[in-house]
Amino acid sequence: GAVVSQHPSWVICKSGTSVKIECRSLDFQATTMFWYRQFPKQSLMLMATSNEGSKATYEQGVEKDKFLINHASLTLSTLTVTSAHPEDSSFYICSASPSGGYRWDEQFFGPGTRLTVL
Amino acid sequence: SQQGEEDPQALSIQEGENATMNCSYKTSINNLQWYRQNSGRGLVHLILIRSNEREKHSGRLRVTLDTSKKSSSLLITASRAADTASYFCATDGFSNTGKLIFGQGTTLQVKP
Repeated sequence: GAVVSQHPSWVICKSGTSVKIECRSLDFQATTMFWYRQFPKQSLMLMATSNEGSKATYEQGVEKDKFLINHASLTLSTLTVTSAHPEDSSFYICSASPSGGYRWDEQFFGPGTRLTVL
Repeated sequence: SQQGEEDPQALSIQEGENATMNCSYKTSINNLQWYRQNSGRGLVHLILIRSNEREKHSGRLRVTLDTSKKSSSLLITASRAADTASYFCATDGFSNTGKLIFGQGTTLQVKP
């Protein structure tokens, strides 16, 4: 199957700093990528939909100025957590779709990035 | 919240036993998927069932879907210790946007 990678797999940062997380589709071009957040022992919550070459669409309640998403190429989307605070500590997971999201049964998930903000 | 409920939240069984997890959702759907997540890892896609299907099998997995009750179940037969993980259902909320709405998940522990 298609492979999606995330980097870094884990990161620890100080409060107030910014952290960038990369999501890459390794063997296919992803017109659409999705970013999810998962708190410990909880489910995944969709944060935003990222379409190549256009602005991301954020879910209600997600601060777009805090969670900056860039999808500049068909194989890479980045999520930047700006001025991170301890409450931003979470597991961030991306998924990528080669078909613009329509055939969502072709959505492939990355391994996740564990962010800990001290 | 549009997220559904999964039940039970936690399940502990002995190796060889069957495990059944249930998922309820709130909106109409086109499809429903089940995923597995090992601790601290990403998601592994298990099976997809379309809204016009009632039952689907894949190896030791059996999924049922009852759209009238807005519910689905995942049965893992002859469980193994390696099946220990969290299991989530996800629906599309009857959209074609690719967005997935995840259930709360069931944590399964299979004791050797």
